[in-house]
Amino acid sequence: DVKVTQSSRYLVKRTGEKVFLECVQDMDHENMFWYRQDPGLGLRLIYFSYDVKMKEKGDIPEGYSVSREKKERFSLILESASTNQTSMYLCASNRGAGELFFGEGSRLTVL
Amino acid sequence: RKEVEQDPGPFNVPEGATVAFNCTYSNSASQSFFWYRQDCRKEPKLLMSVYSSGNEDGRFTAQLNRASQYISLLIRDSKLSDSATYLCVVKIGGSASKIIFGSGTRLSIRP
Repeated sequence: DVKVTQSSRYLVKRTGEKVFLECVQDMDHENMFWYRQDPGLGLRLIYFSYDVKMKEKGDIPEGYSVSREKKERFSLILESASTNQTSMYLCASNRGAGELFFGEGSRLTVL
Repeated sequence: RKEVEQDPGPFNVPEGATVAFNCTYSNSASQSFFWYRQDCRKEPKLLMSVYSSGNEDGRFTAQLNRASQYISLLIRDSKLSDSATYLCVVKIGGSASKIIFGSGTRLSIRP
């Protein structure tokens, strides 16, 4: 059974804290993605990666960075969390133009 | 202008009805097209790919019009279990490409 695992389902952080969201997939997919989902705005692409150590900006990369040191792991980093980064964060992976498989999401609240 | 636009709904239709959703995309480099379904508080899952010639999967029919940059989804004989948010998804570019989601159309089927 395919699996995308996000390390934390719920996080509460304070403004200015550094936040790490981890995502691991066990399908040997080359592509991995980070989205955030907000009511009325749908899923918006933050960053994606098509290979180890490769990354591309999505539509809303400001305030975020990513790391892909191993094929199976794609981390999203908030260097200094702000209240407008309170959101549901979804990680996904796929191979080529194939189906995207999502993790269950990480709900982040920044106080 | 958003890269992928959908009517947010909600569509509220009786069981057994036929319902159609539309989606437009703005980037002519868009190469692959999909419909995903997202249930409340769950991650999105692939419903079907959309092919140039149009394709059908049971009660679901998807159409693509490249000239008008328009995608549609038709659901016939709707069931209560079809209640969900339907997301139009576009892959832009080649193998190292981003995948963009529309903000979704909410469908509610009533008995």
